[in-house]
Amino acid sequence: AQSVTQPDIHITVSEGASLELRCNYSYGATPYLFWYVQSPGQGLQLLLKYFSGDTLVQGIKGFEAEFKRSQSSFNLRKPSVHWSDAAEYFCAVVPVSGGSYIPTFGRGTSLIVHP
Amino acid sequence: DVKVTQSSRYLVKRTGEKVFLECVQDMDHENMFWYRQDPGLGLRLIYFSYDVKMKEKGDIPEGYSVSREKKERFSLILESASTNQTSMYLCASSLGGAIYEQYFGPGTRLTVT
Repeated sequence: AQSVTQPDIHITVSEGASLELRCNYSYGATPYLFWYVQSPGQGLQLLLKYFSGDTLVQGIKGFEAEFKRSQSSFNLRKPSVHWSDAAEYFCAVVPVSGGSYIPTFGRGTSLIVHP
Repeated sequence: DVKVTQSSRYLVKRTGEKVFLECVQDMDHENMFWYRQDPGLGLRLIYFSYDVKMKEKGDIPEGYSVSREKKERFSLILESASTNQTSMYLCASSLGGAIYEQYFGPGTRLTVT
């Protein structure tokens, strides 16, 4: 069974600083990869997704993520964090084949932004 | 825009009560999901449905049941609420197929006293 690891439970950055949130997955083949964001009191919203092709994908709100097959990673980055980016971030993977399209989510990383 | 709505944002129920959580999506999505979210545990799948009247158990179905009589509506039922079911409940929907992202409702924070 696939698994997703987000090794950082909390990350604190200063406003304007760069950000990288880590995501590692365990799966037999390259899955479909997603990053979601959950603002306080809200449901999850898709930031970006990777299926194939260019390993650097752009998302909404200035986020990007890089897929590295050799490291089974899909890390999320932003060059300059804004206070409104404070939220919970979830990485998710979905098997490409096998008939199941049920995502497996990581446990999330809580981003705290200091002024 | 896809919209997923949940019947209540906050709900307080007593132990032993039967609880209904309703979810409605307006984009004709085949798949619908119920998750519970607890601090440090992320999202855990309770049930999902890939078609009307079809349902599959997720990772933690015990104590829950679901109903999908119409394509747009997916209900989560707690037959006899217990305090360990106090949680945030999230509903999601998606088109069929692995390639499609999920759209989430705002969540229902359920407290069972």
